[in-house]
Amino acid sequence: DAGVIQSPRHEVTEMGQEVTLRCKPISGHNSLFWYRQTMMRGLELLIYFNNNVPIDDSGMPEDRFSAKMPNASFSTLKIQPSEPRDSAVYFCASSGFGFRYFGPGTRLTVT
Amino acid sequence: DQQVKQNSPSLSVQEGRISILNCDYTNSMFDYFLWYKKYPAEGPTFLISISSIKDKNEDGRFTVFLNKSAKHLSLHIVPSQPGDSAVYFCAASRFGNEKLTFGTGTRLTIIP
Repeated sequence: DAGVIQSPRHEVTEMGQEVTLRCKPISGHNSLFWYRQTMMRGLELLIYFNNNVPIDDSGMPEDRFSAKMPNASFSTLKIQPSEPRDSAVYFCASSGFGFRYFGPGTRLTVT
Repeated sequence: DQQVKQNSPSLSVQEGRISILNCDYTNSMFDYFLWYKKYPAEGPTFLISISSIKDKNEDGRFTVFLNKSAKHLSLHIVPSQPGDSAVYFCAASRFGNEKLTFGTGTRLTIIP
């Protein structure tokens, strides 16, 4: 299995632009998580889905952030409009049998 | 409000010696604790866990200790090896709950 796949691995964009991060979970896993890593706050859970349904989005910082999971093999995290304070590493993770597997992350830089 | 705290951002240890990483939590409802290890440009990977019914769990060179009264856990690595150099995250949850709360991480450097 290829593990959790995220794209792009790096994204540099200007303030105000829309950013879309993508994730393909491990096949057969029924839960998917989006995390953000910063130096100050460590790994923060933004949102998680179970069987494609959003269960808890209380970590989504504000309305500029949105996430979708249209099917069991794909999810997106969108930021519109992006701001410099959104610069961080964004991880997607999936779990199906108790263990959580993380993707390699997308490093987002907003200038 | 940081419910899981790792107060040491970094730690350096000589190869072959013991590495001790610490973690404190504030939420008394947490009853399941995990450690993750993260190399640069990779996602975190699961290392070891412990439930609140135990005070120690061992897996090879890695041992996690839990002190519920102090709301404190620690990860011991013995002996430390260069490949252990990474960022270590402590995480906590209520058992069976998918929501993990992570700390800010401790960067461990093993000196050859």
